[in-house]
Amino acid sequence: DIQMTQSPSTLSASVGDRVTITCRASQRVNSWLAWYQQKPGKAPKLLIYRASSLESGVPSRFSGSGSGTEFTFTISSLQPDDFATYYCQQYNDYSTFGQGTKVEIK
Amino acid sequence: EVQLVESGGGLIQSGGSLRLSCAASGFIVSSNYMSWVRQAPGKGLEWVSIIYGGGGTYYADSVKGRFTISRDNSKNTLHLQMNSLRAEDTAVYYCARGRTDSGWVFDYWGQGTLVTVSS
Repeated sequence: DIQMTQSPSTLSASVGDRVTITCRASQRVNSWLAWYQQKPGKAPKLLIYRASSLESGVPSRFSGSGSGTEFTFTISSLQPDDFATYYCQQYNDYSTFGQGTKVEIK
Repeated sequence: EVQLVESGGGLIQSGGSLRLSCAASGFIVSSNYMSWVRQAPGKGLEWVSIIYGGGGTYYADSVKGRFTISRDNSKNTLHLQMNSLRAEDTAVYYCARGRTDSGWVFDYWGQGTLVTVSS
């Protein structure tokens, strides 16, 4: 099974900050990686797929990069609506999610 | 508008069975990959099962042999039959639609239904 490890687990930031989350796969997943945002009590929302493709309707302040085993998710300028938990997901071999990164208010 | 509405969750004793349903609207279930993803209380996301448009099915090792995914094309509904339930199956269960170009990427999700397994 492919394990996905996100870092950090929690991130404290202020509105306007640039935020970066890392996701590492235990095996190569090529570019078959997605990022989701989840708010408390709500279903996840797709933000990025194929490592760097922005889902339709998602603001351009969200971006993703990487391939193989190392991936990065970036929010260029954190907005109040962005405080949430973010998950990476590999789909190269079935599907596995990272443990999540909670972005909280500093 | 695409909508997914889950139902069938509840409190069940360990060893029991439960059938979840996910009613879809705005698209045809049988034309898409459809998955179940669960989230234990306070924990992360775990993919559970997928059914391909062609009918092929796959399961996470944690549920293989106990859970069965299926669909009712006449009702445009996805199901998850859960047998031999364990305490560790306690979670919110989401149904999710796969993107047309990449079925393992989930672009629409339901609101979730809570399954609680008591030991």
